Amino acid sequence: DTGVSQDPRHKITKRGQNVTFRCDPISEHNRLYWYRQTLGQGPEFLTYFQNEAQLEKSRLLSDRFSAERPKGSFSTLEIQRTEQGDSAMYLCASSPGRSGRTDEQYFGPGTRLTVT
Amino acid sequence: AQKITQTQPGMFVQEKEAVTLDCTYDTSDPSYGLFWYKQPSSGEMIFLIYQGSYDQQNATEGRYSLNFQKARKSANLVISASQLGDSAMYFCAMSLVLGAGGTSYGKLTFGQGTILTVHP
Repeated sequence: DTGVSQDPRHKITKRGQNVTFRCDPISEHNRLYWYRQTLGQGPEFLTYFQNEAQLEKSRLLSDRFSAERPKGSFSTLEIQRTEQGDSAMYLCASSPGRSGRTDEQYFGPGTRLTVT
Repeated sequence: AQKITQTQPGMFVQEKEAVTLDCTYDTSDPSYGLFWYKQPSSGEMIFLIYQGSYDQQNATEGRYSLNFQKARKSANLVISASQLGDSAMYFCAMSLVLGAGGTSYGKLTFGQGTILTVHP
């Protein structure tokens, strides 16, 4: 059973360029989450999907950010017109969406974005 | 809105000793879940332990236990018999829970973390 995978692991881009990240959740997990983590801080929630439906978006997610999960499997996070303040680690997590006590989230290794 | 506060930027402990990492939270929801995650220097977040707001007993998972004091709104993590491999960043987090004793769901709200260093 493979874990959550993210691609690329590192991305360096120039200010103003667009970038896209991919997340492959654990198979059969129907919930998928995106978080952003800056150095020395805890992750901040960006958005989450149940299957292909985007159920919640943070106010942090400006109109330059868009996320999709077209077939309810992998997800992409796109940042348009990147700014230096977008430099961060972007974490993806998935959860089974099961009933019971806890629907714990399993995290991927993250994509580190550096905007120069 | 939910808020998590971790007031200890760094903690040091001797190998084989116990250590307590502090976490306080704030929420107006009566049903919530509290999590602890470990983030080693490699970056991945590892789930450690969970406590539901309606759980009567403190959660335990191996060497990890959660000291849950609802009236004080605190959920401290206790690591017993520290090992060198416990050196990492530790995050407390909160989510909503569906009904009393129900399943946690939705986004996690994280604290700022505590760096734990275990000395040999």
